[in-house]
Amino acid sequence: QITLRESGPTLVKPTQTLTLTCSFSGFSLSTSGVGVGWIRQPPGKALEWLALIYWDDDKYYSPSLKSRLTITRDTSKNQVVLTMTNMDPVDTATYYCARTHCTSSSCYVRVFGYWGQGTLVTVSS
Amino acid sequence: DIQMTQSPSSLSASVGDIITITCRASQSISDYLNWYQQKPGKAPKLLIYDAFRLQSGVPSRFSGSGSGTDFTLTISSLQPEDFATYFCQQSSSTPLTFGGGTKVEIK
Repeated sequence: QITLRESGPTLVKPTQTLTLTCSFSGFSLSTSGVGVGWIRQPPGKALEWLALIYWDDDKYYSPSLKSRLTITRDTSKNQVVLTMTNMDPVDTATYYCARTHCTSSSCYVRVFGYWGQGTLVTVSS
Repeated sequence: DIQMTQSPSSLSASVGDIITITCRASQSISDYLNWYQQKPGKAPKLLIYDAFRLQSGVPSRFSGSGSGTDFTLTISSLQPEDFATYFCQQSSSTPLTFGGGTKVEIK
């Protein structure tokens, strides 16, 4: 059974750095075709993709946020960590981690088949 | 960036209705289009990938079509559990982008 769970602070102050951890089970981030990404959703708004890291340690970032984001993985701990610097109230959102979608025959490296429950991060002084 | 535009932003329908949601990409994305369902307070759930491939376990009343820039999600007979918000997402290239969502409400 594949599960993902986000953890981190629920409240951060403006200008602080946010560190979120995605802990997962039921798969390995060393398996070819597998990736874990971060997506956020401000209250009542649409989804926004942030970053993605793959089995080969290849990384991709949203260009609009690239200067503030870092995504890393720890395959031994089955974790993916996202850091976002210089937090602002507009960054208030539910942050999700999600794994790419794989079937028995293929992996779809930019499709999200499994999602964590999400964690609400509020940015306020 | 590829912009994804969904329409309508909301709709009201009754159980048993056929509904169609449209997603348009700002440039051709071939068939790299995915649909997600999200219920209040829950994470999105993958319904359809690569425009028409039904995710395992998703009821067959859901179907997707389209290619290039224009895509549709159809629910053939709306059920009570289908009242939710639906998002499209292009997986043609990064940055990955989502549509603004379509909220399906009970009439």
